[in-house]
Amino acid sequence: QITLKESGPTLVKPTQTLTLTCTFSGFSLSTSGVGVGWIRQPPGKALEWLALIYWNDDKRYSPSLKSRLTITKDTSKNQVVLTMTNMDPVDTATYYCAHGVVVVAATHFDYWGQGTLVTVSS
Amino acid sequence: DIQLTQSPSFLSASVGDRVTITCRASQGISSYLAWYQQKPGKAPKLLIYAASTLQSGVPSRFSGSGSGTEFTLTISSLQPEDFATYYCQQLLFGGGTKVEIK
Repeated sequence: QITLKESGPTLVKPTQTLTLTCTFSGFSLSTSGVGVGWIRQPPGKALEWLALIYWNDDKRYSPSLKSRLTITKDTSKNQVVLTMTNMDPVDTATYYCAHGVVVVAATHFDYWGQGTLVTVSS
Repeated sequence: DIQLTQSPSFLSASVGDRVTITCRASQGISSYLAWYQQKPGKAPKLLIYAASTLQSGVPSRFSGSGSGTEFTLTISSLQPEDFATYYCQQLLFGGGTKVEIK
């Protein structure tokens, strides 16, 4: 049974760096064809993909946010960490992590965490 | 960068209706497209991947088609539990289509 859970601060101040941790179980991030992604959703708005890390440590970032994002994995702890620098109130959103599966050359997300709401405010 | 444009952004339909949602990619993406359903306050649920492969456990009234730059998600007979927002995805997500009760 695959489960994922996001953890991190619920409130950050503008200009601060956000660090979110995804702790998962039921799969290994050393298994070929597996990845973990981060997706966010501002209140009342659409989903926005942020970053993805694969079993082989290959990383992908949203072009519009690439300069602010870093994704890393700790396979032994079954964790993936996302950092986002220079937070702004427009970054207020629910942040999800999700289990990714590579099919041919594409990745889809078949299991999702419950999400964590991060508010950016002074 | 590949952009995904969904249409319509809002759709009003009745139970039993056949519903079609379109997703257009700014450049060809072969069959590398997934569809998700999201209900308020919940995480998205994977419906279809590789453009037309139904995820395990998803009802057969959902189907996907297309390749290249144009894709469709079809619900053959809309059920009450299908009223939700639908997203296409190829890493980046489309803007979403909200399906509401007429």
